[in-house]
Amino acid sequence: GAGVSQSPRYKVAKRGQDVALRCDPISGHVSLFWYQQALGQGPEFLTYFQNEAQLDKSGLPSDRFFAERPEGSVSTLKIQRTQQEDSAVYLCASSAGTGKGDEQFFGPGTRLTVL
Amino acid sequence: AQSVTQLDSQVPVFEEAPVELRCNYSSSVSVYLFWYVQYPNQGLQLLLKYLSGSTLVKGINGFEAEFNKSQTSFHLRKPSVHISDTAEYFCAVSEGTGGFKTIFGAGTRLFVKA
Repeated sequence: GAGVSQSPRYKVAKRGQDVALRCDPISGHVSLFWYQQALGQGPEFLTYFQNEAQLDKSGLPSDRFFAERPEGSVSTLKIQRTQQEDSAVYLCASSAGTGKGDEQFFGPGTRLTVL
Repeated sequence: AQSVTQLDSQVPVFEEAPVELRCNYSSSVSVYLFWYVQYPNQGLQLLLKYLSGSTLVKGINGFEAEFNKSQTSFHLRKPSVHISDTAEYFCAVSEGTGGFKTIFGAGTRLFVKA
């Protein structure tokens, strides 16, 4: 079946613009994660959803970052008033269950460049 | 607080040689440990994971890792590598209690030479 998909794959924004990044998880997956991956670094946790509930947003770097998953499937990560330091690859992952030991299935990522 | 340290940023190795990619973590509670691999132009995929039980875990593509609680390590090994193993490898940890955060290391680039 289809894996995790993300769109757009590439996004260029001018500093100060708002952006919205979309994640389509594997159908039926309960858990959804967002990560930020800077160049040469590992993924850094941003937020976690269980169905439509955002249970952990401890990794969101500022109040400019906002994520939602209103119907418990597709999720959107929104960044307001983008800054150059927001340039990174944004990864989405989903897992079938709610256990912390469950395998996460990753999407290809959205590469955001803020000029 | 949790942290993950991958001790080598790059590991060059000749084809058919053994390899070990090192990972150390810090946590004050029980943990779940993972190795993910990212092949060029592909998303991350799970190689193997340790949840409990036997400290030696086997994964896909002939990789294995050993959980050492006293040394807080989870090193990844393969006895004989192939050119196709060239990729970025990430060690990750999540805690058994508390939030849902998974912490990743900075990655180790394995480069297999002919």
